[in-house]
Amino acid sequence: EVQLVESGGGLVQPGGSLTLSCAASGFTVSTNYMTWVRQPPGKGLEWVSVIYSAGSTYYADSVKGRFTVSRDNSKNTLSLQMNSLRVEDTAVYYCARGATPGNYYYYYAMDVWGQGTTVTVSS
Amino acid sequence: QSALTQPPSASGSPGQSVTISCTGTSSDVGNYKYVSWYQQHPGKAPKLMIYEVNQRPSGVPDRFSGSKSGSTASLTVSGLQAEDEADYYCSSYAGSNDFVVFGGGTKLTVL
Repeated sequence: EVQLVESGGGLVQPGGSLTLSCAASGFTVSTNYMTWVRQPPGKGLEWVSVIYSAGSTYYADSVKGRFTVSRDNSKNTLSLQMNSLRVEDTAVYYCARGATPGNYYYYYAMDVWGQGTTVTVSS
Repeated sequence: QSALTQPPSASGSPGQSVTISCTGTSSDVGNYKYVSWYQQHPGKAPKLMIYEVNQRPSGVPDRFSGSKSGSTASLTVSGLQAEDEADYYCSSYAGSNDFVVFGGGTKLTVL
């Protein structure tokens, strides 16, 4: 079964750091493009970052320079290192697989989502 | 990159059809065919319903259809059912640096 399971969320003070993990099963993280999407309480979805199979990474302006996405091919996991956290980073964070039929063609849509992990930034 | 514009709410009776709009710009919806729609029930993760404007993933009922005209995309849900009541989000590719931008979401109520 294709599945994503996030972990690592929690309560952190402003200015603190947190690392989220996303364990994949049923497919290989390194051969897909993977994203992080977040959803503040009661609000809509916001794209956070993407990592392509070739390793290139991109970030939303709101997190650029503070967040780093990476993957561990041996563990088939995706990670999001979050530094200098702000109150406005409070959200449910989802990891999601990018939809693709293969051959480096991208639909720029997310077809598999984790259940989400909650990050609360508060003093 | 600004969010795409969706109406905050929409509603319809069982069996009716409802259409949700998603307005972007020439930098996103108007420039790419990579428009997607997601359904999200309370407390659940989003689910991909439409990709590439009008393509349905396997398992999504054909009651869900998508279209695009210029910088506005639309999701139509035909033959409304109680389980269609959810939040719906559109998204569009917005270039390599911005990847995708989402709409603010539309709460669909089945009366």
